[in-house]
Amino acid sequence: EVQLVESGGGLVKPGGSLRLSCAASGFSFNDYSMNWVRQAPGKRLECVSYISSDGYTRNYADSVKGRFTISRDTAKSSVFLQMNSLRAEDTAIYYCARDRRGPGHTFDIWGRGTMVTVSS
Amino acid sequence: DIVMTQFPLSLPVAPGEPASISCRSSQSLLQSNGFNFLNWYLQKPGQSPQLLIYLGSNRASGVPDRFSGSGSGTDFTLKISRVEAEDVGVYYCMQARQPLGAFGQGTKVEIK
Repeated sequence: EVQLVESGGGLVKPGGSLRLSCAASGFSFNDYSMNWVRQAPGKRLECVSYISSDGYTRNYADSVKGRFTISRDTAKSSVFLQMNSLRAEDTAIYYCARDRRGPGHTFDIWGRGTMVTVSS
Repeated sequence: DIVMTQFPLSLPVAPGEPASISCRSSQSLLQSNGFNFLNWYLQKPGQSPQLLIYLGSNRASGVPDRFSGSGSGTDFTLKISRVEAEDVGVYYCMQARQPLGAFGQGTKVEIK
């Protein structure tokens, strides 16, 4: 079964750090670009970060640039999101999503998400 | 940056009736290769989003044929020919032209 499972969320104080993980299974992880998408309470979905299949291209939303770092580990079939200098506005459910192969950027597989709460 | 705008934001529909959601992009999503880089997702209550339609009009695997996508350039439509109870949730359009594509505000579909 094709699956993405996120972990690493939790409660953290403003200015703190968290590292999210997304474990992929059921498909050839090396062949796919990956994304992190978040959803703050009552808000629309927001793409946070993208990493290409070879790991060389990494993109970040302006709202997280300089604070978040995306990476991937082929041996572990996993993608990670290191989040530093967290702010209250980073509070959201964070989803890992696979980028469908082919033209454009289509998220064809999503994980169930992991909740990040930034609060003192 | 490309901005996506959806309407209506709320759509009550009786079972068996059709439904239509519109999405407008601030820039054209039609590429020289003929593809419209516009996707539709459905987020059912308490679930993560799921892909419905990609590249404007292609149904994702397992999506019932009562769902259809149309449009080109900057104006797109998602239609449900006969709404069923399992179709409730929030529908999002998203531009797929570049990484970190923007989503629309979402349209909440509920059963009357």
